[in-house]
Amino acid sequence: DAGVIQSPRHEVTEMGQEVTLRCKPISGHDYLFWYRQTMMRGLELLIYFNNNVPIDDSGMPEDRFSAKMPNASFSTLKIQPSEPRDSAVYFCASSKWTGGTKPQHFGDGTRLSIL
Amino acid sequence: DAKTTQPNSMESNEEEPVHLPCNHSTISGTDYIHWYRQLPSQGPEYVIHGLTSNVNNRMASLAIAEDRKSSTLILHRATLRDAAVYYCILIQGAQKLVFGQGTRLTINP
Repeated sequence: DAGVIQSPRHEVTEMGQEVTLRCKPISGHDYLFWYRQTMMRGLELLIYFNNNVPIDDSGMPEDRFSAKMPNASFSTLKIQPSEPRDSAVYFCASSKWTGGTKPQHFGDGTRLSIL
Repeated sequence: DAKTTQPNSMESNEEEPVHLPCNHSTISGTDYIHWYRQLPSQGPEYVIHGLTSNVNNRMASLAIAEDRKSSTLILHRATLRDAAVYYCILIQGAQKLVFGQGTRLTINP
């Protein structure tokens, strides 16, 4: 079975540019999560969706970050304008609701470098 | 979110059992205990979860204290591929995972 698919795997861009990260969750999963991982702060939840609706975006660092889920099979995380401190590995994960008894499945991540 | 406490690092030898502890003294009755691990340059990977009873799967065993204030992840026979950061996480109702710093496990050949 295909797992969570993220693209691109690596992105290098200059400060001020718009960055779009993409995620395809596992078919049939109704929850989708975006995480960010840095050495300083570890793994942080940015936002999560249930049935394509954003439920909790309290982890989104600032207005430069936005996330959308136009349908059950696709989500984007956008940074505009990007800054060097946004450099991190961004993970997408999906799961099926069962009250905490089912795991989240993570993608391989997008390693983002802002110069 | 209920907090967990884990040692920053542990070391073991290949083919020996490894016991990774986790304290969660503020756990509530409906919190599930989940363990994930993250291998180098990969996303986190689910290992095991439990509520009250000990659990076994093909990857590991989870031993949960009777008062549920602590748990131990057991790798029965560690291999070099088990070297990773192991996270103990409590989940209550909502699906969100709150990752702590985890335990960095080193396996010596």
